Amino acid sequence: GAVVSQHPSRVICKSGTSVKIECRSLDFQATTMFWYRQFPKQSLMLMATSNEGSKATYEQGVEKDKFLINHASLTLSTLTVTSAHPEDSSFYICSARDKGNYGYTFGSGTRLTVV
Amino acid sequence: RKEVEQDPGPFNVPEGATVAFNCTYSNSASQSFFWYRQDCRKEPKLLMSVYSSGNEDGRFTAQLNRASQYISLLIRDSKLSDSATYLCVVNMGKSGNNRLAFGKGNQVVVIP
Repeated sequence: GAVVSQHPSRVICKSGTSVKIECRSLDFQATTMFWYRQFPKQSLMLMATSNEGSKATYEQGVEKDKFLINHASLTLSTLTVTSAHPEDSSFYICSARDKGNYGYTFGSGTRLTVV
Repeated sequence: RKEVEQDPGPFNVPEGATVAFNCTYSNSASQSFFWYRQDCRKEPKLLMSVYSSGNEDGRFTAQLNRASQYISLLIRDSKLSDSATYLCVVNMGKSGNNRLAFGKGNQVVVIP
Protein backbone atom coordinates (compact mmCIF):
# COMPACT_ATOMS: atom_id res chain seq x y z
CA GLY A 1 0.00 0.00 0.00
CA ALA A 2 0.86 3.68 -0.06
CA VAL A 3 3.62 4.70 2.33
CA VAL A 4 4.54 8.14 3.60
CA SER A 5 7.95 8.35 5.24
CA GLN A 6 8.35 11.11 7.83
CA HIS A 7 11.60 12.21 9.48
CA PRO A 8 12.73 12.82 12.11
CA SER A 9 10.49 10.82 14.41
CA ARG A 10 11.61 12.73 17.44
CA VAL A 11 13.51 15.97 17.92
CA ILE A 12 14.48 18.08 20.88
CA CYS A 13 15.62 21.60 20.15
CA LYS A 14 16.41 24.80 21.99
CA SER A 15 14.12 27.80 21.97
CA GLY A 16 14.80 30.09 19.08
CA THR A 17 16.17 27.45 16.73
CA SER A 18 14.50 26.06 13.62
CA VAL A 19 13.48 22.48 12.92
CA LYS A 20 12.76 20.91 9.55
CA ILE A 21 10.41 17.96 9.17
CA GLU A 22 10.35 15.97 5.93
CA CYS A 23 7.62 13.83 4.45
CA ARG A 24 8.18 11.66 1.41
CA SER A 25 5.66 9.59 -0.50
CA LEU A 26 7.57 6.41 -1.31
CA ASP A 27 5.51 4.64 -3.94
CA PHE A 28 3.09 7.22 -5.21
CA GLN A 29 2.92 10.84 -6.25
CA ALA A 30 1.46 13.14 -3.66
CA THR A 31 0.27 16.28 -5.39
CA THR A 32 -1.21 17.40 -2.08
CA MET A 33 0.24 16.97 1.39
CA PHE A 34 -1.59 17.89 4.57
CA TRP A 35 0.21 18.96 7.74
CA TYR A 36 -1.40 18.41 11.13
CA ARG A 37 -0.54 19.12 14.72
CA GLN A 38 -1.83 17.13 17.69
CA PHE A 39 -1.56 18.21 21.31
CA PRO A 40 -1.99 15.61 24.09
CA LYS A 41 -5.54 14.25 24.34
CA GLN A 42 -6.63 16.51 21.49
CA SER A 43 -7.71 15.80 17.94
CA LEU A 44 -5.50 16.30 14.92
CA MET A 45 -5.74 19.90 13.77
CA LEU A 46 -5.01 20.76 10.15
CA MET A 47 -2.32 23.41 9.95
CA ALA A 48 -1.87 23.75 6.21
CA THR A 49 -2.32 22.12 2.85
CA SER A 50 0.63 22.07 0.51
CA ASN A 51 0.33 21.62 -3.23
CA GLU A 52 3.28 20.69 -5.39
CA GLY A 53 4.73 23.71 -7.11
CA SER A 54 2.53 26.31 -5.45
CA LYS A 55 2.14 28.13 -2.15
CA ALA A 56 0.65 26.34 0.80
CA THR A 57 -2.79 27.18 2.11
CA TYR A 58 -2.77 27.84 5.84
CA GLU A 59 -5.64 27.36 8.24
CA GLN A 60 -6.88 30.28 10.26
CA GLY A 61 -4.63 31.05 13.19
CA VAL A 62 -1.55 29.30 11.76
CA GLU A 63 1.33 31.71 11.08
CA LYS A 64 2.72 31.10 7.62
CA ASP A 65 5.98 32.87 8.45
CA LYS A 66 6.54 30.63 11.43
CA PHE A 67 5.58 27.33 9.81
CA LEU A 68 7.28 27.31 6.43
CA ILE A 69 6.07 24.69 3.98
CA ASN A 70 7.83 23.68 0.82
CA HIS A 71 6.46 21.16 -1.65
CA ALA A 72 9.03 21.27 -4.42
CA SER A 73 8.40 17.83 -5.89
CA LEU A 74 5.63 15.28 -6.17
CA THR A 75 7.24 13.10 -3.53
CA LEU A 76 8.60 15.54 -0.96
CA SER A 77 7.06 18.15 1.31
CA THR A 78 8.82 19.84 4.22
CA LEU A 79 7.60 21.79 7.23
CA THR A 80 10.05 24.09 8.98
CA VAL A 81 9.20 25.38 12.43
CA THR A 82 11.13 28.63 12.70
CA SER A 83 12.20 30.27 15.95
CA ALA A 84 10.65 27.44 17.93
CA HIS A 85 9.17 28.09 21.36
CA PRO A 86 8.12 25.64 24.07
CA GLU A 87 4.46 26.10 23.11
CA ASP A 88 5.32 24.67 19.67
CA SER A 89 6.07 21.35 21.34
CA SER A 90 3.61 18.93 19.80
CA PHE A 91 3.14 15.91 17.55
CA TYR A 92 3.36 16.93 13.89
CA ILE A 93 1.98 14.56 11.26
CA CYS A 94 1.80 14.76 7.50
CA SER A 95 -0.73 13.01 5.32
CA ALA A 96 -1.24 12.43 1.63
CA ARG A 97 -3.92 10.86 -0.48
CA ASP A 98 -2.98 8.20 -2.96
CA LYS A 99 -5.20 8.58 -6.01
CA GLY A 100 -5.67 4.84 -6.15
CA ASN A 101 -6.75 4.63 -2.51
CA TYR A 102 -9.85 6.19 -1.06
CA GLY A 103 -8.20 6.77 2.29
CA TYR A 104 -5.42 9.03 3.43
CA THR A 105 -1.99 7.76 4.41
CA PHE A 106 -0.20 9.34 7.32
CA GLY A 107 3.47 9.72 8.05
CA SER A 108 4.68 8.24 11.31
CA GLY A 109 4.74 11.65 12.96
CA THR A 110 7.38 13.86 14.53
CA ARG A 111 7.37 14.53 18.24
CA LEU A 112 8.89 17.96 18.73
CA THR A 113 10.03 19.11 22.15
CA VAL A 114 11.31 22.66 22.49
CA VAL A 115 13.30 23.32 25.64
CA ARG B 1 -20.90 23.28 17.02
CA LYS B 2 -17.73 21.27 16.42
CA GLU B 3 -17.24 19.78 12.99
CA VAL B 4 -16.83 16.27 14.38
CA GLU B 5 -17.79 15.28 17.91
CA GLN B 6 -16.93 12.14 19.78
CA ASP B 7 -17.27 11.08 23.40
CA PRO B 8 -13.63 10.53 24.38
CA GLY B 9 -14.44 7.92 27.02
CA PRO B 10 -12.52 5.88 28.08
CA PHE B 11 -14.64 2.90 27.18
CA ASN B 12 -13.55 0.04 29.43
CA VAL B 13 -14.57 -3.18 27.71
CA PRO B 14 -14.20 -6.73 29.05
CA GLU B 15 -12.35 -9.00 26.68
CA GLY B 16 -14.83 -10.77 24.40
CA ALA B 17 -17.55 -8.16 24.84
CA THR B 18 -19.05 -5.84 22.25
CA VAL B 19 -18.55 -2.10 22.27
CA ALA B 20 -20.15 0.55 20.09
CA PHE B 21 -19.82 4.30 19.82
CA ASN B 22 -21.08 7.11 17.65
CA CYS B 23 -19.67 10.23 16.16
CA THR B 24 -21.70 13.23 14.95
CA TYR B 25 -20.69 15.64 12.21
CA SER B 26 -21.92 19.13 11.46
CA ASN B 27 -21.58 19.49 7.69
CA SER B 28 -24.53 17.89 5.92
CA ALA B 29 -22.63 18.16 2.61
CA SER B 30 -19.90 15.79 3.81
CA GLN B 31 -19.45 12.93 1.39
CA SER B 32 -16.94 10.53 2.81
CA PHE B 33 -16.36 9.13 6.25
CA PHE B 34 -13.70 7.03 7.87
CA TRP B 35 -12.71 5.37 11.08
CA TYR B 36 -9.02 5.52 11.93
CA ARG B 37 -7.22 3.79 14.75
CA GLN B 38 -4.52 5.64 16.66
CA ASP B 39 -2.26 3.93 19.16
CA CYS B 40 -0.58 5.95 21.88
CA ARG B 41 2.05 8.32 20.45
CA LYS B 42 1.64 6.88 16.95
CA GLU B 43 0.14 8.08 13.69
CA PRO B 44 -3.48 7.28 12.78
CA LYS B 45 -4.04 4.26 10.56
CA LEU B 46 -7.10 3.67 8.42
CA LEU B 47 -9.40 1.10 9.97
CA MET B 48 -12.22 1.31 7.49
CA SER B 49 -14.14 3.63 5.25
CA VAL B 50 -17.84 4.04 6.01
CA TYR B 51 -20.31 3.46 3.21
CA SER B 52 -23.93 4.57 3.00
CA SER B 53 -25.21 1.02 3.18
CA GLY B 54 -23.04 0.18 6.15
CA ASN B 55 -20.10 -2.16 5.96
CA GLU B 56 -18.39 -4.85 7.91
CA ASP B 57 -14.78 -5.93 8.15
CA GLY B 58 -14.33 -8.94 10.37
CA ARG B 59 -15.29 -7.96 13.90
CA PHE B 60 -15.79 -4.31 12.96
CA THR B 61 -19.04 -2.86 11.64
CA ALA B 62 -19.51 0.74 10.53
CA GLN B 63 -22.81 2.48 9.91
CA LEU B 64 -23.75 5.87 8.46
CA ASN B 65 -26.93 7.77 9.26
CA ARG B 66 -27.09 10.79 6.97
CA ALA B 67 -30.45 12.01 8.27
CA SER B 68 -29.12 12.32 11.80
CA GLN B 69 -25.56 13.06 10.69
CA TYR B 70 -23.76 10.42 12.65
CA ILE B 71 -21.59 7.41 12.02
CA SER B 72 -21.02 4.49 14.31
CA LEU B 73 -18.46 1.79 14.93
CA LEU B 74 -19.17 -1.52 16.57
CA ILE B 75 -16.46 -3.93 17.69
CA ARG B 76 -17.51 -7.52 18.43
CA ASP B 77 -15.58 -10.07 20.47
CA SER B 78 -13.11 -7.44 21.71
CA LYS B 79 -9.45 -8.42 21.86
CA LEU B 80 -6.78 -6.94 24.08
CA SER B 81 -5.10 -5.70 20.90
CA ASP B 82 -8.17 -3.57 20.13
CA SER B 83 -7.14 -1.15 22.90
CA ALA B 84 -6.55 2.14 21.09
CA THR B 85 -8.20 5.42 20.26
CA TYR B 86 -10.67 5.31 17.39
CA LEU B 87 -10.87 8.51 15.40
CA CYS B 88 -13.93 9.54 13.47
CA VAL B 89 -12.81 11.35 10.31
CA VAL B 90 -15.04 13.27 7.92
CA ASN B 91 -14.17 14.72 4.53
CA MET B 92 -15.75 18.16 4.66
CA GLY B 93 -16.62 18.14 0.98
CA LYS B 94 -16.24 20.85 -1.62
CA SER B 95 -17.56 23.59 0.66
CA GLY B 96 -14.84 22.64 3.11
CA ASN B 97 -12.06 22.40 0.52
CA ASN B 98 -12.22 18.62 0.80
CA ARG B 99 -10.16 18.73 3.97
CA LEU B 100 -10.46 16.11 6.68
CA ALA B 101 -11.95 16.95 10.04
CA PHE B 102 -11.02 14.74 12.99
CA GLY B 103 -12.85 13.95 16.16
CA LYS B 104 -10.96 13.72 19.45
CA GLY B 105 -11.35 9.98 19.35
CA ASN B 106 -13.01 7.28 21.42
CA GLN B 107 -10.49 5.69 23.74
CA VAL B 108 -11.10 1.95 24.10
CA VAL B 109 -9.45 -0.08 26.84
CA VAL B 110 -10.05 -3.82 26.63
CA ILE B 111 -9.72 -5.44 30.02
CA PRO B 112 -8.65 -9.08 30.48
